[in-house]
Amino acid sequence: DVKVTQSSRYLVKRTGEKVFLECVQDMDHENMFWYRQDPGLGLRLIYFSYDVKMKEKGDIPEGYSVSREKKERFSLILESASTNQTSMYLCASSFPHGGDYTGELFFGEGSRLTVL
Amino acid sequence: ELKVEQNPLFLSMQEGKNYTIYCNYSTTSDRLYWYRQDPGKSLESLFVLLSNGAVKQEGRLMASLDTKARLSTLHITAAVHDLSATYFCAPISSGSARQLTFGSGTQLTVLP
Repeated sequence: DVKVTQSSRYLVKRTGEKVFLECVQDMDHENMFWYRQDPGLGLRLIYFSYDVKMKEKGDIPEGYSVSREKKERFSLILESASTNQTSMYLCASSFPHGGDYTGELFFGEGSRLTVL
Repeated sequence: ELKVEQNPLFLSMQEGKNYTIYCNYSTTSDRLYWYRQDPGKSLESLFVLLSNGAVKQEGRLMASLDTKARLSTLHITAAVHDLSATYFCAPISSGSARQLTFGSGTQLTVLP
């Protein structure tokens, strides 16, 4: 079974703090994704990566950055956390599908971040 | 920009009843996924629909895709409590950066 592991299930941070969310997958997937999940809004794509050291912006990249130094690891960074970044963050990975980066997504269990 | 609308957003149904969740999307898409999320858990892939008229079934759930109408449905037959979860549809966008766009989700509660 594919396993996508997110390092922290729950975090509480203060406004202005730097936040790192880590994600590791064990299925040798090329592609990794960070989503944000908010009630009534579904999942929104923050960033994705299709190769080591490669990254692409998603729909809501503002206030976030990412790092992919190894194939299995994809980190989401909030340089200066703000209260409107309080949310559930979901990491996912996939093989490509045909010519697309995005195939079937396999998700981690999520990191619930509260920014005070 | 691809927009996805699911309805209903909340659904309470009695065990043994049938119901359908609808997923409308605004622009052409040639691939659509349905996911399930249990409370406090991650999303799990249920179905992928790859062509117009595609139908997939597993247990009490059946998903279909009409690409001309830009509509997918998730039909629940003889609901049981274990089906209580939030269901998301996610068509893939067209254009150069093809990504999944998720609906808001349908929170299903099956009552005894």
